[in-house]
Amino acid sequence: GDQVEQSPSALSLHEGTGSALRCNFTTTMRAVQWFQQNSRGSLINLFYLASGTKENGRLKSTFNSKESYSTLHIRDAQLEDSGTYFCAAEAGNYQLIWGSGTKLIIKP
Amino acid sequence: NAGVIQTPRHKVTGKGQEATLWCEPISGHSAVFWYRQTIVQGLEFLTYFRNQAPIDDSGMPKERFSAQMPNQSHSTLKIQSTQPQDSAVYLCASSFRSNQDTQYFGPGTRLLVL
Repeated sequence: GDQVEQSPSALSLHEGTGSALRCNFTTTMRAVQWFQQNSRGSLINLFYLASGTKENGRLKSTFNSKESYSTLHIRDAQLEDSGTYFCAAEAGNYQLIWGSGTKLIIKP
Repeated sequence: NAGVIQTPRHKVTGKGQEATLWCEPISGHSAVFWYRQTIVQGLEFLTYFRNQAPIDDSGMPKERFSAQMPNQSHSTLKIQSTQPQDSAVYLCASSFRSNQDTQYFGPGTRLLVL
């Protein structure tokens, strides 16, 4: 079965608001990466976490390997945040296993 | 730094033809990865090179697909006898040392097999 379950599959936010995306893992993962795929299809790396929490501007991500989940928080959403967000977890063989993505739409 | 470069950006082939996709990793990066993205399957790992050597090709279809890295500045993904189901966006990524480092992605090559 799927080792990485990402939710929600779609999310609509008004500018200035925030929310959280989540990935649950069915097996122990070594690390997690979060990516944004923009309207041109380019994948941009947002975070790489082997543990704990990282923050970058309006984004914050947490990886809890013991409880097998990771979250990506977005605050004060802006129009340019629109896109599809993916988590990708490193399995035991270091291969990346991808979530199915969250399509985020930011409305004015 | 130009980032990961992939060429061509778009490719249309007829069924049965060969397609070669090119990737130039970020200068100084030792690891190169190939992925495939489709609406149905999402993002799938294909293969991974480190210092030009193939490390993990467990995601590569056993037939018709091959990847090489003849030098540190480029890698190729070749698909022989292309089929419509090969249509996808093929993404290349590089990282500084290995698959334990942050991966930086190229813009992808959109392959359409008619």
